[in-house]
Amino acid sequence: AQSVTQLGSHVSVSEGALVLLRCNYSSSVPPYLFWYVQYPNQGLQLLLKYTSAATLVKGINGFEAEFKKSETSFHLTKPSAHMSDAAEYFCAVTPNQAGTALIFGKGTTLSVSS
Amino acid sequence: DVKVTQSSRYLVKRTGEKVFLECVQDMDHENMFWYRQDPGLGLRLIYFSYDVKMKEKGDIPEGYSVSREKKERFSLILESASTNQTSMYLCASSRAGLVNTGELFFGEGSRLTVL
Repeated sequence: AQSVTQLGSHVSVSEGALVLLRCNYSSSVPPYLFWYVQYPNQGLQLLLKYTSAATLVKGINGFEAEFKKSETSFHLTKPSAHMSDAAEYFCAVTPNQAGTALIFGKGTTLSVSS
Repeated sequence: DVKVTQSSRYLVKRTGEKVFLECVQDMDHENMFWYRQDPGLGLRLIYFSYDVKMKEKGDIPEGYSVSREKKERFSLILESASTNQTSMYLCASSRAGLVNTGELFFGEGSRLTVL
């Protein structure tokens, strides 16, 4: 069965530092991949998605992610963290089986200190 | 602006009570979903629906049921609430053809506490 692993449940960075959130998927067929963000007391919103058009995907708020098939990875990065980036981030993957729902990772909480 | 609205942001119920969580979307989406979110466990799918009056079990359907009488509304029902159902519940919707689009639109969540 398809699965997605987020390495690190909690990541802390200083304001202005590089943000790197890791996501690996398991699939023999390249899936569609997504990053969602959840700000405190809110629902999730789409940050960016990979749908095989380009391996480097740019999203909102300066985030981007690179699809690497050889590493089965889809890590999320941002060159310079801002205090407003503090949130929980979820990686998700489309399932192998048609008619079933997105599979989410367990999430990574990003803390940004001044 | 597209919207998924969950009727209650915060609920407190007693063990054994019947609980209804309502979700309405205004995007004419075919697909609707109920997830449960717990710290360290991420999002776990409870039920989803691809059409009116249609439902599919997700990963953790035990203790829950759903109703979809109209396209825009998807209700989650806890027949007899228990303390281990204390959680954040998230409703989401998407267009038909999930694999092609994949984008889910989420409500703000309903935080349920069962005493």
